[in-house]
Amino acid sequence: DSGVTQTPKHLITATGQRVTLRCSPRSGDLSVYWYQQSLDQGLQFLIQYYNGEERAKGNILERFSAQQFPDLHSELNLSSLELGDSALYFCASSVRGTQETQYFGPGTRLLVL
Amino acid sequence: QKEVEQDPGPLSVPEGAIVSLNCTYSNSAFQYFMWYRQYSRKGPELLMYTYSSGNKEDGRFTAQVDKSSKYISLFIRDSQPSDSATYLCAMNLMNTGFQKLVFGTGTRLLVSP
Repeated sequence: DSGVTQTPKHLITATGQRVTLRCSPRSGDLSVYWYQQSLDQGLQFLIQYYNGEERAKGNILERFSAQQFPDLHSELNLSSLELGDSALYFCASSVRGTQETQYFGPGTRLLVL
Repeated sequence: QKEVEQDPGPLSVPEGAIVSLNCTYSNSAFQYFMWYRQYSRKGPELLMYTYSSGNKEDGRFTAQVDKSSKYISLFIRDSQPSDSATYLCAMNLMNTGFQKLVFGTGTRLLVSP
């Protein structure tokens, strides 16, 4: 158990809908990262937050957004969902956001029908 | 061309065999190198990390980095069925105080009893 929690574990929705994925980092970690893992693309970095502020962006679509709240939990919002958004979404956390060690949560499996 | 290349496998070996997993990369700016293990339907867990060329050993695992050739390896000695998982290499770009992990697509390893 990494100490990072994610909810929900599974999510099934329809195209065009909007969903919110939630992540709680390890106790003491200030930085949160979101990743998307699909069969053909592997694990892709989406976005990083540090202590409530956006720190880095990766291959995140404009339909996706995220935020980190004062209690340090983070939410990833996915809107206007398409079939291709079906994937595993992982959250990871680290202490300062400049360290190389990231600890991953168990992921949320999203299926868009 | 992807920044990080990794053979997807699967790699099938008998119990007790020495396993060699490899990644190549193209960006010489990568400074830290990691290996993650991912069991089916679980989040990646950090196995090894290193930041210099050479070898680093931890139990049955040895991570090797050759920056001049842009090549990293993970060796597993006395492989066990419980080692059956997908192994992801990851590399860290350090830039303006934040980090971005770039992952290989993963190699699936199957260790048969």
